[in-house]
Amino acid sequence: QVQLQESGPGLLKPSGTLSLTCTVSGDSINNNDWWGWIRQPPGKGLEWIGYIYYGGTTSYNPSLKSRVTMSIDTSKNQFSLQLRSVTDLDTAVYFCARLIVGTYNAFDLWGQGTMVTVSS
Amino acid sequence: QSALTQPPSVSGSPGQSVTISCTGTSGDVGSYNRVSWYQQPPGTAPKLMIYDVNIRPPGVPDRFSGSKSGSTASLTISGLQAEDEGNYYCSSYRVSSPVVFGGGTMLTVL
Repeated sequence: QVQLQESGPGLLKPSGTLSLTCTVSGDSINNNDWWGWIRQPPGKGLEWIGYIYYGGTTSYNPSLKSRVTMSIDTSKNQFSLQLRSVTDLDTAVYFCARLIVGTYNAFDLWGQGTMVTVSS
Repeated sequence: QSALTQPPSVSGSPGQSVTISCTGTSGDVGSYNRVSWYQQPPGTAPKLMIYDVNIRPPGVPDRFSGSKSGSTASLTISGLQAEDEGNYYCSSYRVSSPVVFGGGTMLTVL
């Protein structure tokens, strides 16, 4: 059974860099999959951040593209998110997810999510 | 860019059918059969219910169905059950951004 688990600091200061990792268990991250990040501010809707192919190709939300970098470490079966110059608007639950092969927006497997708060 | 438009809330009684709409533009829903629907009970991760307009992933009951007409996609839940309560989000492909979400619809089972 494939599972995803997010990890990373839950609190950071404005202007800092958010760094999260998603660990994939139960299957290889190399299986021709795209892996994504989605976030949800408290009480609000979902926002797609971006996704990364197992080979390293990326696609980012244009509104966040200037601040986002995603990477993948196949040896550790992990992929990661960095979001620079954070403000309180970046406070949210961050989810990692797997994209169904051949689709653009069908995420069939999700992590439980991790809350990240930006506050001084 | 603006999200897809969903009604803030819908409700229905057990056994009834409800439909949630998702209105986009000719640049997304209207031009591509790449509409997904997610169910999210409070405090949990979203669950994929429908993708590519009308395909159900394994394990999703056939009470859930998707359709599209023009720039509006719809999710219909028939035989409503208490466990169907939660927020529902649509998503579409858009050339400028491959994943755009709707604002969400809260479904209440009366």
